[in-house]
Amino acid sequence: GQSLEQPSEVTAVEGAIVQINCTYQTSGFYGLSWYQQHDGGAPTFLSYNALDGLEETGRFSSFLSRSDSYGYLLLQELQMKDSASYFCAVPGGSQGNLIFGKGTKLSVKP
Amino acid sequence: DVKVTQSSRYLVKRTGEKVFLECVQDMDHENMFWYRQDPGLGLRLIYFSYDVKMKEKGDIPEGYSVSREKKERFSLILESASTNQTSMYLCASSLLPSGGAGNEQFFGPGTRLTVL
Repeated sequence: GQSLEQPSEVTAVEGAIVQINCTYQTSGFYGLSWYQQHDGGAPTFLSYNALDGLEETGRFSSFLSRSDSYGYLLLQELQMKDSASYFCAVPGGSQGNLIFGKGTKLSVKP
Repeated sequence: DVKVTQSSRYLVKRTGEKVFLECVQDMDHENMFWYRQDPGLGLRLIYFSYDVKMKEKGDIPEGYSVSREKKERFSLILESASTNQTSMYLCASSLLPSGGAGNEQFFGPGTRLTVL
């Protein structure tokens, strides 16, 4: 089967850098995605890594190591609005469904 | 922009009632999904559909059924609602049928269902 592990909660201060880790076990691997969800809101797509290495999009970066079955989301210059839950996800099969981790709740303090 | 809409933001039903949750997407996406989200459990896939009239069970299909008669619409049906189905229900859609850069899922705002 497929499973993903990520920390349940992370706390950081404004302006800091935080890293949210995700380890996965899959029968086949097509890439690692990250989604953000604010309280009361819908999940929104942040990034996708199919190959090893770092992908940067503004203040957010995502890293993948396929040999280690590991990835992380890096948030720099944290802002209060980054307080949200962050989910990693892998494709569940060839039909396009995703398997999500249980989410990491990030709290950014002043 | 892709838009995924769900018929209700909040819904209160009684045990044993039949409940319909509707989801519509406006970007001609092939795939549509229904998840439920509960605290500490993340998003769990109930059913998904990769084409009209096609459906696949997800991780927790028991107590649910789905219908996809038109490409843009995917309905979740609770045949006989129970209190353990009280949850947030999220619908999503995606363009491509397989894993890859295009498998980004677009989510609706969710329906918070309470079963009394």
